[in-house]
Amino acid sequence: EVQLVESGGGLVQPGGSLRLSCAASGLTLSDHYMDWVRQAPGKGLEWVGRSRDKANSYTTDYAASVKGRFTISRDDSKNSLYLQMNSLKTEDTAVYYCTRRTSWGQGTLVTVSS
Amino acid sequence: DIVMTQTPLSLSVTPGQPASISCKSSQSLLNSAGKTFLYWFLQRPGQPPQLLIYEVSNRFSGVPDRFSGSGSETDFTLKISRVEAEDVGVYYCLQGVQIPLTFGGGTNVEIK
Repeated sequence: EVQLVESGGGLVQPGGSLRLSCAASGLTLSDHYMDWVRQAPGKGLEWVGRSRDKANSYTTDYAASVKGRFTISRDDSKNSLYLQMNSLKTEDTAVYYCTRRTSWGQGTLVTVSS
Repeated sequence: DIVMTQTPLSLSVTPGQPASISCKSSQSLLNSAGKTFLYWFLQRPGQPPQLLIYEVSNRFSGVPDRFSGSGSETDFTLKISRVEAEDVGVYYCLQGVQIPLTFGGGTNVEIK
C-alpha cells in the first residue's frame, strides 16, 4: 500500500522560511512525477509545483504564485520529497499535500502570521 | 493558464437519486498522443482528496461503479447513478495536460 506522509508545517512569520517533507512508502519515489498541492482554509485546491521523475532528471515546474520562492527537491536515499518555502506570505497559509494523483498524504498545515 | 469551470457550485441530492457535475475547460485537454488528461477527485470532510476518475472515464481502483465520467476536448461530466450517504463532499475536476495544472472550483454535494 502506498503511503505519503507530510511533515514540517507550523506557524511562521511573514518573510520566514519553512521546509516541508513528504516521506513515501510502498513506492519508489524516483520512478514517479510528484506534485505539491495546497488548500487554503475553506478554499479549493491549488497546484503548487511538480518534480518529474529520475528519468526526466527531476526537472521542476512551479505555479506563478510561488515561483522564485519555493523549491522542490528529493532525497532518493530517504525516498522523500521536499518543499522549501522562502519569503513566506500570509496568502501561503494552507494545508500542503504531496501527491502523485492516485495517492495523497494527509497534509501538513502551514500558517503564516505575525 | 487553462481555466476549469465547474457547475453547479453545490448540489443537494436525495439518496438513491442521480447526480451530475459539469466541468468545462478553456482549452482542449487532448494531447498530441491522443490522451485527454481530465481527472475527478472527491474530498470528503476533513480528508485529503481521493482520485475517482482518470483520463475522463477510467474509474480508479476501488471506486464504485455508480461513478462514471464522460466527455471530450473541453466538456466533461461526472455522474453518480445513485447517490449514497458516503458520497458527501466536494468534487473537483483537474486538468493535467498543461502546466500549471489547474483545478475546478469544486462542487459541494450534500444529502437531502
